[in-house]
Amino acid sequence: DSGVTQTPKHLITATGQRVTLRCSPRSGDLSVYWYQQSLDQGLQFLIQYYNGEERAKGNILERFSAQQFPDLHSELNLSSLELGDSALYFCASSPNRGPDEKLFFGSGTQLSVL
Amino acid sequence: KNQVEQSPQSLIILEGKNCTLQCNYTVSPFSNLRWYKQDTGRGPVSLTIMTFSENTKSNGRYTATLDADTKQSSLHITASQLSDSASYICVVSAYPGGYNKLIFGAGTRLAVHP
Repeated sequence: DSGVTQTPKHLITATGQRVTLRCSPRSGDLSVYWYQQSLDQGLQFLIQYYNGEERAKGNILERFSAQQFPDLHSELNLSSLELGDSALYFCASSPNRGPDEKLFFGSGTQLSVL
Repeated sequence: KNQVEQSPQSLIILEGKNCTLQCNYTVSPFSNLRWYKQDTGRGPVSLTIMTFSENTKSNGRYTATLDADTKQSSLHITASQLSDSASYICVVSAYPGGYNKLIFGAGTRLAVHP
């Protein structure tokens, strides 16, 4: 158990809908990363927050948004969902900063858009 | 373009045998190279992290090597066990400043059979 909690584990919804994925980082970790993993693809970086502030953006669509709250949990909001958004969404947290920063991943949220 | 390529895509070995997984990368600026193990339906778990100056690093039965000149890395698994069945992901970190830009390979799917 990495100590990173993601809810829900599975989510099934329809095209055009909006969903919210939630991540609770390990106790004390200030940094939260969001990744998307499509079938047989490598993890794609979406966005990073550090202590409530956005630090870096990756290939995140405009239909997607995220935030990190004062208690350090984070939410990823996906709207106007399309079939291609079906994927595993991972959250990772980190206790330190710098090049050797170690990331601890949650178990992911499996999103299925029908 | 930053890229991480892994081979083979999948591998089947018998329990007790050794195997070697390969990773080639073109990432700049290079910061470090990581190997992760990802069990089905779970988040990746870190096995090793190597910087530019490190040639080899071990974690139990896992040994990673890095040749920064040829931009190649390998992960050697000794005396495989059924629990080694998983995807092994090579990740290269570029640290452009302020955040870790992790570039993930697509992974090698390893199946260990009794």
